[in-house]
Amino acid sequence: DAKTTQPTSMDCAEGRAANLPCNHSTISGNEYVYWYRQIHSQGPQYIIHGLKNNETNEMASLIITEDRKSSTLILPHATLRDTAVYYCIVSGSSNTGKLIFGQGTTLQVKP
Amino acid sequence: SAVISQKPSRDICQRGTSLTIQCQVDSQVTMMFWYRQQPGQSLTLIATANQGSEATYESGFVIDKFPISRPNLTFSTLTVSNMSPEDSSIYLCSVGGSGFNTEAFFGQGTRLTVV
Repeated sequence: DAKTTQPTSMDCAEGRAANLPCNHSTISGNEYVYWYRQIHSQGPQYIIHGLKNNETNEMASLIITEDRKSSTLILPHATLRDTAVYYCIVSGSSNTGKLIFGQGTTLQVKP
Repeated sequence: SAVISQKPSRDICQRGTSLTIQCQVDSQVTMMFWYRQQPGQSLTLIATANQGSEATYESGFVIDKFPISRPNLTFSTLTVSNMSPEDSSIYLCSVGGSGFNTEAFFGQGTRLTVV
């Protein structure tokens, strides 16, 4: 699975969009980009995933660049409850739930 | 979706003893995964538990230290053996969704402190 690089930490004002970047320059053609988050003292929570098209669900949007070497997770209206560690994970097409976590980005949403 | 229950939620254990952590899923799943999260760190995969076969361990983890059972498609246990303070971590159970390229679901974890 390809390695990912994320900023260690980011701040965002409450009510504003939070844009979390992820670099995955060695991603291969059949690898998906997954995003999870871990709120303090809880198990990780799935957010969204995609292959090459942009994706949107009730939680977030995922923007993947055309060359697929990077992506951005967008939380459109961040709330204090979105404060968490966000993990960007790349995994192959045969993935059945096995995840290799990097260090993630700690997002602090401030009032 | 899958709902995962882990027991115990936390424990304080004496060094040299063993603790068995239970993971119960509300649906049948092929693969279950065990992770360790050391204080202030990210999650590290310990092993993949398949029903009817031995668990597959990641580099740095061995069966003697972390024996795993998978007696059926809804249940697994992880034992942390001969514990030392370095084993103090959160241990998490996870399952994949049905099919490929689906979301994974996690239990709330077992917070282990070894004294």
